[in-house]
Amino acid sequence: GAVVSQHPSRVICKSGTSVKIECRSLDFQATTMFWYRQFPKQSLMLMATSNEGSKATYEQGVEKDKFLINHASLTLSTLTVTSAHPEDSSFYICSARGDSTNTEAFFGQGTRLTVV
Amino acid sequence: AQSVTQLDSHVSVSEGTPVLLRCNYSSSYSPSLFWYVQHPNKGLQLLLKYTSAATLVKGINGFEAEFKKSETSFHLTKPSAHMSDAAEYFCVVSLYNQGGKLIFGQGTELSVKP
Repeated sequence: GAVVSQHPSRVICKSGTSVKIECRSLDFQATTMFWYRQFPKQSLMLMATSNEGSKATYEQGVEKDKFLINHASLTLSTLTVTSAHPEDSSFYICSARGDSTNTEAFFGQGTRLTVV
Repeated sequence: AQSVTQLDSHVSVSEGTPVLLRCNYSSSYSPSLFWYVQHPNKGLQLLLKYTSAATLVKGINGFEAEFKKSETSFHLTKPSAHMSDAAEYFCVVSLYNQGGKLIFGQGTELSVKP
């Protein structure tokens, strides 16, 4: 299957700083990328959907000014957690899909964010 | 509204015995359904998908699932569990009318006893 690379896999930052997470599709063009957040022992919660060259569509309750998403190319999307706080600590996962809504999405390895 | 419900939060089986992970869906459209597996602190791997072709779908690692429209179900099965199957499993529906947005079920943790 296709490969989606997410970086970093683990990051620790101080409260008040910003953290950027990258998601790259290595061998296909990702028309759509999704960003999820996962709390321990829970399912994945969709945060936002981004299409290349367009503004991201955020799910209800997700602060777009806090979680900045950029999808500047067909192979790269970034999530920036701005002014991070301990409650932002979580596992963040990206996924990418080509140009058909019926095809599967491929997932990155996830990023464990810890804000201290 | 379209959604998926995984009926069991935790399933425990013995190695070599069959696995059944249950999933029911709700959809106004002909759904695309997927099963993904997640090992601890890892990303997700696709096991199999249903996209309106054959109702019995075979996936990787011996898993298969049957789409039953009359029962609105898409249960995941495997004839014989292996220790390496222990993981979290997610049933996922693609929302056709929302650009293919993926909605996850609550997840089922599968434990495999020796």
